[in-house]
Amino acid sequence: GIQVEQSPPDLILQEGANSTLRCNFSDSVNNLQWFHQNPWGQLINLFYIPSGTKQNGRLSATTVATERYSLLYISSSQTTDSGVYFCAVRPYSSASKIIFGSGTRLSIRP
Amino acid sequence: DGGITQSPKYLFRKEGQNVTLSCEQNLNHDAMYWYRQDPGQGLRLIYYSQIVNDFQKGDIAEGYSVSREKKESFPLTVTSAQKNPTAFYLCASSMASGGAYEQFFGPGTRLTVL
Repeated sequence: GIQVEQSPPDLILQEGANSTLRCNFSDSVNNLQWFHQNPWGQLINLFYIPSGTKQNGRLSATTVATERYSLLYISSSQTTDSGVYFCAVRPYSSASKIIFGSGTRLSIRP
Repeated sequence: DGGITQSPKYLFRKEGQNVTLSCEQNLNHDAMYWYRQDPGQGLRLIYYSQIVNDFQKGDIAEGYSVSREKKESFPLTVTSAQKNPTAFYLCASSMASGGAYEQFFGPGTRLTVL
């Protein structure tokens, strides 16, 4: 089945820094989402981005479907950005399932 | 206020007991899903349902059962056959399971087996 790899697994930054999180996937997909899991476990939808670039405030994402990767950019980090960021894909070969990566744990220090 | 609700938030169970986790959505979504998350891990699919009265096994269905009698509801039963049930359980829904539809999540239920 499709493999979804996220990097780095852990990232510690000072408040105000910028970061780039990466998601690589091994097969063609028709759906890619980025989520932020907060300390209480809630998964918050950040982007639905099967291709192209989107921006929402300090966050932006780019998916290059032909090269099978997606990037999540966080600028001017705040302590509330801490948590785990997950990439999830829906492969063409299994349209009913979404496969999650193992996540990037981001810690923003004040 | 549209969304997905899960109850209870925390659940404690003795070994050998079955327990049912509730998931309700008022988004008029056709598809619903159950995931399991272990500490420090990603999410794994337990069961999913594309339409009322129909559901399919996910990657880790053993020891779990579901029903889909109403569009709004997709309860998950963790049976005594599940060897290691302590985990965080998340319910999700989307407009449909096929095609490119965004998935939304409930707040989760933390199950602890004593």
